[in-house]
Parts: sequence; C-alpha cells; structure tokens
Amino acid sequence: GEDVEQSLFLSVREGDSSVINCTYTDSSSTYLYWYKQEPGAGLQLLTYIFSNMDMKQDQRLTVLLNKKDKHLSLRIADTQTGDSAIYFCAVRGSSASKIIFGSGTRLSIRP
Amino acid sequence: GAVVSQHPSRVICKSGTSVKIECRSLDFQATTMFWYRQFPKQSLMLMATSNEGSKATYEQGVEKDKFLINHASLTLSTLTVTSAHPEDSSFYICSARDGSNQPQHFGDGTRLSIL
Repeated sequence: GEDVEQSLFLSVREGDSSVINCTYTDSSSTYLYWYKQEPGAGLQLLTYIFSNMDMKQDQRLTVLLNKKDKHLSLRIADTQTGDSAIYFCAVRGSSASKIIFGSGTRLSIRP
Repeated sequence: GAVVSQHPSRVICKSGTSVKIECRSLDFQATTMFWYRQFPKQSLMLMATSNEGSKATYEQGVEKDKFLINHASLTLSTLTVTSAHPEDSSFYICSARDGSNQPQHFGDGTRLSIL
C-alpha cells in the first residue's frame, strides 16, 4: 500500500525559510495535501496540489511537486514563531476514498 | 469556509461509561465523514469512513460494536465509544468533505480520558 515518509523534526531560525519534505510511494497519487496541527488541536488544511501541477504558491507557502521522484515539499517563507507546529503531508489516489498521512514533521523556531 | 465543529473538546469520565462525540460541518454538506484516533506524538489512525445514510466502513482492527458511528444527515456524524475503558483514552478527530474531489476538513478534536 501507499507509504508516506517525512522527517520527524526541523528547526529553523525566525525569519528564515522552512522547507519540509515528504516522499510517497504510489505514483497514482492524485491529491497531495499539507496540514498543520498545533498542540491539542485538530488539523488545519494549509494547502493542496493536484498531481498535474508542479508548483502552487499561496502567500508565504510554496508547494513543489516532483512526480518523477514522488517528492513533495512545503516551503514557508519568513518563518514566524506562530508557525511552530506539526506539519503533516497526506496523499490520496484518484479512486481512493481515504488519504494516507505521513508521520508529521515537528517544526520548531529558534530566535 | 469549510468549518468542521467537533464537540465536546474534552471529556473525562469513569470506566464503563458510554461517550458520544459529535462532528458537524457548519457551512457545507459533508457527503463523507472520517473518524481518526491519534496517540501522543503519532500520526492519525483512520478508524472508519462514513457516507451519509450508509453504514460506516471500519478499518481493520477497529471494533464496530465498540465504536458506533452514525451519519444520519449531511451535516452531522456521531461517534459513540461504548463502555469506555482506560485504554480507549485518546485524542479523537473527525473530518469531513463535500465530494470525492474535495479536501478533508478537520474538527478540533476531542480528548477522551477514561479513569
């Protein structure tokens, strides 16, 4: 079945860019999502991309998709303390009902 | 838009009690709702998928008689943990989407603690 991998931790300096990486195994994955989870809260949909897109930008967020390498990344520009959270990569095939989550990357911001 | 409201946010109760958690889509029709369980420092584990008016589809290893799911309307699904025991203590999160091509939107979760 589908496997989604993420590194567990990322630490960046405030004001720098954060890049969170994700790899997946199923080449038929059609919908690719990034969710943010703050402590004690549910998941907030940050952005998503379809497999026919290479890049999507929304304010400070940029998503890059490399279908050949099955690699998805989320770049957060000008990282702020409020960006501290766990970021989940999730993917879904076109005919699949459920999405598959990665393990989440805990982003910490240092001054 | 796309707000999912989940209640209660926290429940503490005695062993043997049944607990109901509600999940509502506030500004869209949720044709499909999902229930997840999340253990500390782990990712989400899908428990079941429910389509409005149909029986829920449970993931392998999830007891359907233990975790009763009802999705009677396009805006409401409920999860009832029957005869809860301490091992059922966890963070339960629901999500909903309107249509198969739409992303899932999540509630804020319910922290269930069974004493």
